[in-house]
Amino acid sequence: QKEVEQNSGPLSVPEGAIASLNCTYSDRGSQSFFWYRQYSGKSPELIMSIYSNGDKEDGRFTAQLNKASQYVSLLIRDSQPSDSATYLCAVNNYGGSQGNLIFGKGTKLSVKP
Amino acid sequence: DAGVIQSPRHEVTEMGQEVTLRCKPISGHNSLFWYRQTMMRGLELLIYFNNNVPIDDSGMPEDRFSAKMPNASFSTLKIQPSEPRDSAVYFCASTVGANYGYTFGSGTRLTVV
Repeated sequence: QKEVEQNSGPLSVPEGAIASLNCTYSDRGSQSFFWYRQYSGKSPELIMSIYSNGDKEDGRFTAQLNKASQYVSLLIRDSQPSDSATYLCAVNNYGGSQGNLIFGKGTKLSVKP
Repeated sequence: DAGVIQSPRHEVTEMGQEVTLRCKPISGHNSLFWYRQTMMRGLELLIYFNNNVPIDDSGMPEDRFSAKMPNASFSTLKIQPSEPRDSAVYFCASTVGANYGYTFGSGTRLTVV
């Protein structure tokens, strides 16, 4: 059973701080990694993708990938109350026909003003 | 681009009734996915289609669930007969390829009483 594990939280950080969200995955063959943000009552929204080891930055967001450790993380700098949401890690199902994504259950982030 | 369009947004039905959920993927996307989301189990893949062909339906919980994609612009997920444990949010998503991530529809919140 291929799995994607995330700490369910809630993770609470003060406004302006760095929020660090972590994810581990079981499928060593996975090649594509994604972070989705889901506001309460809304659908998941893709915010970051990463395919190679190392860091990828996009504005206040940085995704980090370590394939050897099977570990993906998302850093949110200068956290804002509007960042309060559930963050879902998704990993492609390597070997699955045409490929599909396996999602973690998400980490709930709360940014306090 | 109108995004992935799902209908209805909310559905309340009595146990034993037939429920049909509808999805229109983004034009040009050749893969379509049906997910179910609950607090306990997170996002679960039910079935996905590639070029209108069902590829993997191993996530369909039981024979009460069926899905079709008669053409590139329309898919349905049917539950017959519905049961209270089917209550969840059902998402449809589409993509041009798993490496690009998915775009989710707004979801259908199903309540079976």
